[in-house]
Amino acid sequence: GIQVEQSPPDLILQEGANSTLRCNFSDSVNNLQWFHQNPWGQLINLFYIPSGTKQNGRLSATTVATERYSLLYISSSQTTDSGVYFCAVRPPFGNEKLTFGTGTRLTIIP
Amino acid sequence: DAGVTQSPTHLIKTRGQQVTLRCSPISGHKSVSWYQQVLGQGPQFIFQYYEKEERGRGNFPDRFSARQFPNYSSELNVNALLLGDSALYLCASSLEGAGGVTGETQYFGPGTRLLVL
Repeated sequence: GIQVEQSPPDLILQEGANSTLRCNFSDSVNNLQWFHQNPWGQLINLFYIPSGTKQNGRLSATTVATERYSLLYISSSQTTDSGVYFCAVRPPFGNEKLTFGTGTRLTIIP
Repeated sequence: DAGVTQSPTHLIKTRGQQVTLRCSPISGHKSVSWYQQVLGQGPQFIFQYYEKEERGRGNFPDRFSARQFPNYSSELNVNALLLGDSALYLCASSLEGAGGVTGETQYFGPGTRLLVL
């Protein structure tokens, strides 16, 4: 099956700093989503981005499908950005199963 | 608009017992998927249902079963619980599955935390 790797596994930053999270995947996809999992376990949709670039406030994401990677940018980090960020992908065939990466744990220090 | 809802929020069971978890998708969504997330890992796919039919199954034992009802809500059942079944169980809904539409955005519910003692 498709493999998903995220880096770095852990990231500790001062409030106000910028960060870049990376997701590499091993095969073609027709769905790539970035999620933020809050301390209560809720997976919050950040982006649906199988290709191209999107921005939403301080967050933006870019997926280069031909090179099989995606980047999530967080600017001017706030303590509420802390949590685990997951990338999940689906190949363009088969059922609707999303394969998740192992996540990046982001900690923002005041 | 209401998002994906799940019940109960928390559950404590003992080994060998059976559990039923419930999920209601976003209105208009016909596809429901179930995921298991153990501590420190990403969610793992268990099942996908569309129009009451199983469309996919992950690498889970037969103790895990699910069904989807005519109103598109779904139940996940786990029999003969093991300590290793302790996890956060997540339900996701999407528009995908109809008329060849695939790969649409999936929306997750808040999850059910299951603890097996």
